[in-house]
Amino acid sequence: DAKTTQPNSMESNEEEPVHLPCNHSTISGTDYIHWYRQLPSQGPEYVIHGLTSNVNNRMASLAIAEDRKSSTLILHRATLRDAAVYYCILRDALAGGTSYGKLTFGQGTILTVHP
Amino acid sequence: EAGVAQSPRYKIIEKRQSVAFWCNPISGHATLYWYQQILGQGPKLLIQFQNNGVVDDSQLPKDRFSAERLKGVDSTLKIQPAKLEDSAVYLCASSLDTGPNSPLHFGNGTRLTVT
Repeated sequence: DAKTTQPNSMESNEEEPVHLPCNHSTISGTDYIHWYRQLPSQGPEYVIHGLTSNVNNRMASLAIAEDRKSSTLILHRATLRDAAVYYCILRDALAGGTSYGKLTFGQGTILTVHP
Repeated sequence: EAGVAQSPRYKIIEKRQSVAFWCNPISGHATLYWYQQILGQGPKLLIQFQNNGVVDDSQLPKDRFSAERLKGVDSTLKIQPAKLEDSAVYLCASSLDTGPNSPLHFGNGTRLTVT
């Protein structure tokens, strides 16, 4: 499975933007970049995903480098409810391949939001 | 839509006892996953079903863990006999299919404590 590298932890202040980086230098052409987050005592929650182009949804934005070897999850205005562990994961698009679309989680980035 | 339901929420057993966890995925979701999350780590995939067939159980300790998904809907995960190192949160997830545009939806998990 292709690996991702994220900082162990980051801090932010409430109502400020947060940029969470992820490096994935061994990404393959069929890997999609997925982000999930896990709030305390809950299961992981889907945030956003993309292949090559930048993506926006109601929760966040995903900026993907032109060479696809890194990406950044952007929370435009952090709230206390955004405090969570954020996981950057590569998901193989080849349905039926050996990965069968599974998600392999790393350690993630613990985001702390200060009031 | 109703989310992924798991029960029980908590379970405490002694080592060498057996335990079972139940998962009801989102209606219509063909793919079901069981993950194990040890405290301080990211979730680890134990087994993945596509409908009622197993597509990946490479990290399932088959000498003590078993899982089934009868009729391609509900699923149960069993541990027999339990060991101290099985203490973890067991997460169930489902997705429409294995494609990259089908995000995983997680339940809130069952926290198992083995004493």
